Amino acid sequence: EAGVAQSPRYKIIEKRQSVAFWCNPISGHATLYWYQQILGQGPKLLIQFQNNGVVDDSQLPKDRFSAERLKGVDSTLKIQPAKLEDSAVYLCASSSGVASTDTQYFGPGTRLTVL
Amino acid sequence: EDKVVQSPLSLVVHEGDTVTLNCSYEVTNFRSLLWYKQEKKAPTFLFMLTSSGIEKKSGRLSSILDKKELFSILNITATQTGDSAIYLCALLSNAGNNRKLIWGLGTSLAVNP
Repeated sequence: EAGVAQSPRYKIIEKRQSVAFWCNPISGHATLYWYQQILGQGPKLLIQFQNNGVVDDSQLPKDRFSAERLKGVDSTLKIQPAKLEDSAVYLCASSSGVASTDTQYFGPGTRLTVL
Repeated sequence: EDKVVQSPLSLVVHEGDTVTLNCSYEVTNFRSLLWYKQEKKAPTFLFMLTSSGIEKKSGRLSSILDKKELFSILNITATQTGDSAIYLCALLSNAGNNRKLIWGLGTSLAVNP
């Protein structure tokens, strides 16, 4: 089966600019996650969607970050305006949501550099 | 507060060595523990452990969970340079009606030829 797709793979912007990332999960996967991974740290969950509804966005900096999954399939994550500390890899993952298989499958990530 | 602690933070070994990576945790409403391997890209899934004492194996990798002492180990035998990566442990917990994944910081493994 095709994996989780993300684009772009790399992005360099200046602080205060805006940026958007796109994710297409594995076909049929109901749950979609966005993570921020700063160098040397484990992934930090930003937002979790179940179909097109938000399940958990407690760690999403809502003053600058937003995410949507309008049709319950692909999703976009936006940062506006970006800060230097937003430099990280942004990972998208999906899971089927079936109780016996909570495994998350990750996309290749988008490496963001904020100058 | 739920937490996952991995040790060591980093490890350097020679090819052929055996390594043991540790993951200890504190969590309410444990559901499962997952191990991932992360090279210069996104994490790839290795194992999911739900029951104590049942070893999971995949080639030279194996893992086991101890729900009484609240830890898991990941063993890699006859290490190869291709095993060099960050190994991440994550805990899946039920938080009310939600499932939450809590990540450790990872163990960085370097296998030298």
